[in-house]
Amino acid sequence: DGGITQSPKYLFRKEGQNVTLSCEQNLNHDAMYWYRQDPGQGLRLIYYSQIVNDFQKGDIAEGYSVSREKKESFPLTVTSAQKNPTAFYLCASSGGAATSIYEQYFGPGTRLTVL
Amino acid sequence: AQKITQTQPGMFVQEKEAVTLDCTYDTSDPSYGLFWYKQPSSGEMIFLIYQGSYDQQNATEGRYSLNFQKARKSANLVISASQLGDSAMYFCAMRAINTGNQFYFGTGTSLTVIP
Repeated sequence: DGGITQSPKYLFRKEGQNVTLSCEQNLNHDAMYWYRQDPGQGLRLIYYSQIVNDFQKGDIAEGYSVSREKKESFPLTVTSAQKNPTAFYLCASSGGAATSIYEQYFGPGTRLTVL
Repeated sequence: AQKITQTQPGMFVQEKEAVTLDCTYDTSDPSYGLFWYKQPSSGEMIFLIYQGSYDQQNATEGRYSLNFQKARKSANLVISASQLGDSAMYFCAMRAINTGNQFYFGTGTSLTVIP
């Protein structure tokens, strides 16, 4: 079954700690994305990557970091510099070249709570 | 700059009736795609339907259709024969060719289907 997996589903961390959220896809998609969603709000882009070893900041990248060492994987680290990290985090991927338009597919999300 | 606007924070519809969710967009790029996603209370984002800017006909997928009015820059989602399982958040999104692989989302509309 092709798809996107995110782990863990629920994550708790103490204030001041870094935490890494996992995102893996087996859809052979080039582009991957991280979004943050707060209660009752839309999606805000944190980072995205169009190819391996390359990524761009989104609208709210401060306090977050990413890596793209493999096509299948795009982990997100929430650092202690992120002032209000409690939120729902969604990972997505999209296929096709940058000159084509394809839909995004999403993982099930990770709910992060800072205690 | 790319922008997506959803002006209906919440909508109610009687079961078996049709409902229209509004979406307007702004882009100067002649080549773009418009997407609708459904987000149930579980949090997953489900892709519903896609419309390309050069498509001559409105997109349809089962009970979902997209009322695309290019001159008005609107891409409204029509759900026919509403079911209780349609109760969810609905997001409109856009991707333009000249912005690479970046997607832009609206703030969403909460739909409640009444039995």
